[in-house]
Amino acid sequence: NAGVMQNPRHLVRRRGQEARLRCSPMKGHSHVYWYRQLPEEGLKFMVYLQKENIIDESGMPKERFSAEFPKEGPSILRIQQVVRGDSAAYFCASSPMIASGAYNEQFFGPGTRLTVL
Amino acid sequence: SQQGEEDPQALSIQEGENATMNCSYKTSINNLQWYRQNSGRGLVHLILIRSNEREKHSGRLRVTLDTSKKSSSLLITASRAADTASYFCATDAPGAGSYQLTFGKGTKLSVIP
Repeated sequence: NAGVMQNPRHLVRRRGQEARLRCSPMKGHSHVYWYRQLPEEGLKFMVYLQKENIIDESGMPKERFSAEFPKEGPSILRIQQVVRGDSAAYFCASSPMIASGAYNEQFFGPGTRLTVL
Repeated sequence: SQQGEEDPQALSIQEGENATMNCSYKTSINNLQWYRQNSGRGLVHLILIRSNEREKHSGRLRVTLDTSKKSSSLLITASRAADTASYFCATDAPGAGSYQLTFGKGTKLSVIP
């Protein structure tokens, strides 16, 4: 059973370009979470998605950032018109469906390191 | 408010010694977890401790939780060079949004062979 997969692992963009980060959850997992890690910092929650639904995007910047998790295919984190401050590692995690009130362990992917020139 | 502040920020020890890292948080939690991150890599889940637990062991790892002090410690015994990594604690809070893990800035551990 493959773990959470993210690609690309490294992405270089020039200011103003678009960045598309992909995340394939573990088999059988229907919940996806995106986190951002700035240099020398811990991870910060961005968005939580289930298939075809955004459940919580409270940690995501209001402009230029969007996320989706379509019925088929990977989850996509999209950053439009990137700026230097977007340079960071972006991690995706997934979890299975769980009973209400139970803890759902999140399994992390290896991350995508975005560098904006 | 920021959860999960680890200290020290950096720790350097000799192989074979024990390493202790601490984590403090500000609000009520459901669970506290520790993760390891090797340089430039993803996160590896080490151990989870629930708010009603006080101590947990896994191999060479020992985690304690003191909810009255809102703090946790991670002890790695008989350290190895391969333990060199950054260690993060992460908390999740009760109620809506409990899926949001809140991470601290981490402790950078260097184990010198």
